[in-house]
Amino acid sequence: GAVVSQHPSRVICKSGTSVKIECRSLDFQATTMFWYRQFPKKSLMLMATSNEGSKATYEQGVEKDKFLINHASLTLSTLTVTSAHPEDSSFYICSARPQLRDRGHTEAFFGQGTRLTVV
Amino acid sequence: GNSVTQMEGPVTLSEEAFLTINCTYTATGYPSLFWYVQYPGEGLQLLLKATKADDKGSNKGFEATYRKETTSFHLEKGSVQVSDSAVYFCALSRYSSASKIIFGSGTRLSIRP
Repeated sequence: GAVVSQHPSRVICKSGTSVKIECRSLDFQATTMFWYRQFPKKSLMLMATSNEGSKATYEQGVEKDKFLINHASLTLSTLTVTSAHPEDSSFYICSARPQLRDRGHTEAFFGQGTRLTVV
Repeated sequence: GNSVTQMEGPVTLSEEAFLTINCTYTATGYPSLFWYVQYPGEGLQLLLKATKADDKGSNKGFEATYRKETTSFHLEKGSVQVSDSAVYFCALSRYSSASKIIFGSGTRLSIRP
């Protein structure tokens, strides 16, 4: 089945630094990828929709200058947490859905997640 | 707008008990419905899905039926195992690959040996 790979799985950084998280679709092309944030024991909150070759669409309340998204190719989207603060510590998950030729229903595949800890 | 409501957890059961996790949705048109599972420290995996009314999704002994009349997609399993302990998310989406998935709040399931 389709695989989405996310890297790194864990990262610890100092306050004020930036962290980049990569999300790759390994065996399909993804014109659209999604970035979620999950707080402890909470559901997934959609942060933004990443569109290949164009600007990302951010959900209400998500700072676009804080969470930079770049979707440079059909298999790679990156999320950069800029000037990280301890409150940015969270579990970040990316997702992509293969496009079927007949535009039929597709499931989403998720990366393994990245646990970010800002100290 | 579209939304998903699922029962509050945590749910604690003994091994071999019957499981039901309720899920209802609000959506325009005919969304696809999903159950995802998240094991400790991992990302999400698709458990099962249904793409139209009266469809039944099934996998690993879990089942859920797409009920349009009650806008529900309840997850059931006849005999749970300790290895089923995880967080379960009900979700919906439109059919295109560009459509975002909307998740319920998640239900944490713990199975006692």
